[in-house]
Amino acid sequence: NAGVTQTPKFQVLKTGQSMTLQCAQDMNHNSMYWYRQDPGMGLRLIYYSASEGTTDKGEVPNGYNVSRLNKREFSLRLESAAPSQTSVYFCASSLEGRSNTEAFFGQGTRLTVV
Amino acid sequence: GENVEQHPSTLSVQEGDSAVIKCTYSDSASNYFPWYKQELGKRPQLIIDIRSNVGEKKDQRIAVTLNKTAKHFSLHITETQPEDSAVYFCAASTGSGPGGGNKLTFGTGTQLKVEL
Repeated sequence: NAGVTQTPKFQVLKTGQSMTLQCAQDMNHNSMYWYRQDPGMGLRLIYYSASEGTTDKGEVPNGYNVSRLNKREFSLRLESAAPSQTSVYFCASSLEGRSNTEAFFGQGTRLTVV
Repeated sequence: GENVEQHPSTLSVQEGDSAVIKCTYSDSASNYFPWYKQELGKRPQLIIDIRSNVGEKKDQRIAVTLNKTAKHFSLHITETQPEDSAVYFCAASTGSGPGGGNKLTFGTGTQLKVEL
């Protein structure tokens, strides 16, 4: 049982390049999330997917797109990377509709845009 | 939307002392309040959570209290140990519901240092 797995762990991009961050969970969770973490700002929600086939914007969606490929996988795409997108990105998942709504996090992707 | 404020941003205590971290939230509809611990370079991990129908919850050396009227909640760590040193985040959510997911709004974190 791997939990939430993100790839890659580290990435350096040049301004204007594109990339996709991958996330997969094996806990049969229906909800998945993408957060970014910046120093002194906590974790901020970029996009989330409450269930397979649905996605919605979070607090800071500009410059990002997402795809809920299936129940297990939720990807985050940067179409044209900017230095302001330098951050640590965390994917998370949770089981909606149950009393235990704990969100489990992946190990993070450290992205640097130069 | 929800806004969560967390204080202090840094906290230094002596081993064996207690540590208290406080958070306030703005959305009266929030009903789920987890606390996450994040060690350097690691992922956030849940250490305790509380729901709005409960005023206090305890798990060994860790306790959380919730005051719904004042919209604030606190984390209490007793008998602190060096391995408690980490960044702690509070969060709030309106909880899960049909099609709503469980979107967490996080505080900005508290760096706890437990000194020998």
